[in-house]
Parts: sequence; structure tokens; C-alpha cells
Amino acid sequence: GAGVSQSPSNKVTEKGKDVELRCDPISGHTALYWYRQSLGQGLEFLIYFQGNSAPDKSGLPSDRFSAERTGGSVSTLTIQRTQQEDSAVYLCASSLDSGVADTQYFGPGTRLTVL
Amino acid sequence: GESVGLHLPTLSVQEGDNSIINCAYSNSASDYFIWYKQESGKGPQFIIDIRSNMDKRQGQRVTVLLNKTVKHLSLQIAATQPGDSAVYFCAEGHAGNMLTFGGGTRLMVKP
Repeated sequence: GAGVSQSPSNKVTEKGKDVELRCDPISGHTALYWYRQSLGQGLEFLIYFQGNSAPDKSGLPSDRFSAERTGGSVSTLTIQRTQQEDSAVYLCASSLDSGVADTQYFGPGTRLTVL
Repeated sequence: GESVGLHLPTLSVQEGDNSIINCAYSNSASDYFIWYKQESGKGPQFIIDIRSNMDKRQGQRVTVLLNKTVKHLSLQIAATQPGDSAVYFCAEGHAGNMLTFGGGTRLMVKP
């Protein structure tokens, strides 16, 4: 079956502009995660959606970052007034969220470059 | 607080040799561990997992070892190939909580 997909694969924007990144999780996965990965670095947790519960936003670095998940499926990560330090690869993952620690399956990421 | 870390940020091995990538964790409640492989320009891919009721699990050319006494996890790759060159992440989790990822180890395979 289809894996996690993300779009766009690459996004170049100017400082101060807003961007929207999209994630389509694996069908049937109720948990969805966003991470940020700077060049040569590890994964930085941003936000976690679990079913209909309130999202865990504890990883969002500033109020310029927000995310929503519509209909329990597709998610959009929005970065307002982008800064150069926002340049990174943004990764989305989904899992079954079966009540035990679940394997997360990752998408290919969106590479964001802020000029 | 809980953390997952790696001993070696970069590992260079000769093609054909075996590779061992190590990971330490501090949360004794963790009961599920995963290794991911991330190739350049791609998202992390699941390699192998192990639950805390096991101490060893084997896949194709890969073996994961879990030592709960010292809270240590390792990934062994047999007969390392150029295609194994990537960054490897360990992750740990427990009881419906999110996975916690380690910082990653870069494996470089020399021809």
C-alpha cells in the first residue's frame, strides 16, 4: 500500500513569507507526527496528533509554527513569517497508535529553504 | 530526564566488514526499541525492532541486541555494503507514548 506522502518535496521561499507543508499519512493510521531535521542533525519533534485528542504542541519552536489535521487524515504544517533559521527538512510520520509504542513510518520530507 | 543517545556520531568501516552501531537509553520503562536508516535525501526507514521481553532479534544481515541491565541497544550489520552507508537512528518508547529518537550515527562504508 501507499506510504506517507509529503508535498511539496522542495520549497524555496523568501524571508517573511508564509509556507504550508502537507502530509498524507498511511490510511488507517490515527497518529501523525511532524519533525524538523536541520542539515546533518537528528530529528527535532514538533507536534503530535493522536486520534481526536488535542494535539501535543510541546515541540513547536515559536508561535509562527502551527499545524492542523483535518478529518483525522491529512495534516498541514504552517510556518508564518519564515526566517532563515527555519530552513530544514520537515518530516512527517504516521503510526497505528494501537496503544503501545508504535513504529512510526516516515514520509520523504519537504526541504524548505528560506532565502 | 529520559534520553536516548549514541556513543559514536560517525562510524567508518571497510566494505565486507561487520558494523556495530550503539545506542544508550536511560528510561527503564522503555519496552520497545527501533532502528531506522536514513539515506541522503530520504526520510528514515524502519529497519528492525525489538521488545523488552527479548534480548536479540535477527533480520536480513541485521541483528539488534538489547541489554536491559545496562540500558544498551546495538545494531549489527553483517558484511557491510556500500548501500548501507546512511545515518542510523535508534528510538525507544513505552506504553502508548511517543518514540524518543537518538541523535543518529553516520555509517560510512569504504570500498
